[in-house]
Amino acid sequence: KAGVTQTPRYLIKTRGQQVTLSCSPISGHRSVSWYQQTPGQGLQFLFEYFSETQRNKGNFPGRFSGRQFSNSRSEMNVSTLELGDSALYLCASSYGTTGNTIYFGEGSWLTVV
Amino acid sequence: DQQVKQNSPSLSVQEGRISILNCDYTNSMFDYFLWYKKYPAEGPTFLISISSIKDKNEDGRFTVFLNKSAKHLSLHIVPSQPGDSAVYFCAAKPGNTPLVFGKGTRLSVIA
Repeated sequence: KAGVTQTPRYLIKTRGQQVTLSCSPISGHRSVSWYQQTPGQGLQFLFEYFSETQRNKGNFPGRFSGRQFSNSRSEMNVSTLELGDSALYLCASSYGTTGNTIYFGEGSWLTVV
Repeated sequence: DQQVKQNSPSLSVQEGRISILNCDYTNSMFDYFLWYKKYPAEGPTFLISISSIKDKNEDGRFTVFLNKSAKHLSLHIVPSQPGDSAVYFCAAKPGNTPLVFGKGTRLSVIA
C-alpha cells in the first residue's frame, strides 16, 4: 500500500509570492492533517480535513489555508510568503476522525528568500 | 504554553545499551500517546503508541511506559543500534482532536 505522497519535495519562493503544496493520503484514509516543522519548534498543527470539511485549525494566520477534495487528496496554500514561512510542511493521513495514529508523508521543504 | 515537553534536546548512548527518552505532559485530558522517529529530510515515522488505560506497551526493542499520576511517559529502546540515531517526537491527544507534539529529542547511538 502506498504511503502518504507529498509534492513538491523541495521548492524555493520569493517573499510575497504564494505557494500550493499537495498531499495524497494513504488509500482508504479520509482524514488529512497538515503540520509545520521549523528548527527548535517541533511540529505545529496547521489544519485537519475530513470528507472535504475542515475539522480543526491551528493557530496560524489566515495566509495559511487548505482544502480537501472528494478523493481525499488535500492541498495547502500559503499566500504573501514571509521569510519565517521557511519550513518543512508535513501532511499526515488517518483512516477516520477517530483514528488515533496518523501517518506522515516525507514533507515539502519550502525556502522563502 | 507547551502541553507536551521533551526536556532533553539530545541524548547519546552507546550501541547495545538502553536508550530512555522522556516526555512530560500537562493536559490531564490526554488519552492517547505516540512516539515518532524522524530522520533528516524524511517525514516522521510512527513507532509505538499507548492508550491511557494502559501503563506499558511493547513492540520488539521498543517499550513505552505511561505514568498518569506523574503525567510522564518514556520510550525505552533495548538494545540501542546505530540505526536508531534520529530525532524522536512524543505526541499526545485528548479524544478526537489533533495530536500535540513535543519539540523532539535527538538520539545518537555511538558504535
